[in-house]
Amino acid sequence: AQSVTQLGSHVSVSEGALVLLRCNYSSSVPPYLFWYVQYPNQGLQLLLKYTSAATLVKGINGFEAEFKKSETSFHLTKPSAHMSDAAEYFCAVRGLVDNQFYFGTGTSLTVIP
Amino acid sequence: ETGVTQSPTHLIKTRGQQVTLRCSSQSGHNTVSWYQQALGQGPQFIFQYYREEENGRGNFPPRFSGLQFPNYSSELNVNALELDDSALYLCASSPPGQGAFGANVLTFGAGSRLTVL
Repeated sequence: AQSVTQLGSHVSVSEGALVLLRCNYSSSVPPYLFWYVQYPNQGLQLLLKYTSAATLVKGINGFEAEFKKSETSFHLTKPSAHMSDAAEYFCAVRGLVDNQFYFGTGTSLTVIP
Repeated sequence: ETGVTQSPTHLIKTRGQQVTLRCSSQSGHNTVSWYQQALGQGPQFIFQYYREEENGRGNFPPRFSGLQFPNYSSELNVNALELDDSALYLCASSPPGQGAFGANVLTFGAGSRLTVL
């Protein structure tokens, strides 16, 4: 089965600072990769996805992620954090054999005013 | 267009009981999948339904079962509840694409939070 590893279960940044959330995947071939955001008491919302097109993927709310095959990484970034970005972020991979979605354990982002 | 709706939003059961959770998929979506999200964890795939048949299953025992109806809505049933079944249960729907496995889009509902005492 494929998997993703999210480094850092908690990340704190100051408002206006760079946001960097890390995700590494395990796959022998380039998979489909996703970032989802979950606000308290809500379901998951898709931020962006990589499906073997451009390696730099732009998503909603100013987030973007870069697929790096050599590093098996798909880190999420945002140049300037906003208070409303405080949430739980999940990286996910879709298996090319079983077509299932596998989620990481999540990174909780805190934005300090 | 309406999104994915789930009911109930919260419920409390005791060990050994049975529970049924319901999900209405987003308009135009024909594939439904269910996930279990334990506290502090990412969602874990339970199973997926397409054309009223289960076409994918994660590492969950048979006491987790489901149904999909002709209108693409779905139910998740859990028998003989255990304390570890306490979690947020998320339903997600996908539009047609990639055959029986849906497109690379998951639209999630807000979930049903189950507490087993």
